[in-house]
Amino acid sequence: GENVEQHPSTLSVQEGDSAVIKCTYSDSASNYFPWYKQELGKGSQLIIDIRSNVGEKKDQRIAVTLNKTAKHFSLHITETQPEDSAVYFCAASPGAGSYQLTFGKGTKLSVIP
Amino acid sequence: GAGVSQSPSNKVTEKGKDVELRCDPISGHTALYWYRQSLGQGLEFLIYFQGNSAPDKSGLPSDRFSAERTGGSVSTLTIQRTQQEDSAVYLCASSFLAGGYTGELFFGEGSRLTVL
Repeated sequence: GENVEQHPSTLSVQEGDSAVIKCTYSDSASNYFPWYKQELGKGSQLIIDIRSNVGEKKDQRIAVTLNKTAKHFSLHITETQPEDSAVYFCAASPGAGSYQLTFGKGTKLSVIP
Repeated sequence: GAGVSQSPSNKVTEKGKDVELRCDPISGHTALYWYRQSLGQGLEFLIYFQGNSAPDKSGLPSDRFSAERTGGSVSTLTIQRTQQEDSAVYLCASSFLAGGYTGELFFGEGSRLTVL
């Protein structure tokens, strides 16, 4: 089955700096890679996702890059703000015809004002 | 509200007791998932329901765990004879599958289970 590794487990950055979280996956058939943000007292929310037919996707301060050859993908948050503090989870799925999402263990991001 | 609702939000039980956790998905969502999140761990898949199809129970850790989804809506996760290692946050998510692709999952806030 799929195995997703996520690093780092914790990350502290100064407000305004960038944060990068990296994930690797094992199943070359995976072609859908979402990122979820988990905040205290809230359900986890999808913040960005990417499918394997593109190498990069950007949404305002958040971007995701995908390297299919190396089987890794990364979340980039620029100009971090205190409200970005949360636990972030990456996931991988075989995509079409599949519903399975395998999650990483999460990264606790702390943005220091 | 219109989100995924889970109850109870917190449950403390004694070892050996049975517990039931409830999930109310977003109306119209055909897919429903249960995940378990243990301290310092990622989201561990437990079970998946899709419409009227047979559920995928491949993630259930033991036969003490079971789940049902009545009328394609509300789901109940039951843990029998609870053990301390069952302590975790149990998350429910629903999605609307389109085109066979995994859709965006909408998560509830979770039910925190503590087994003493």
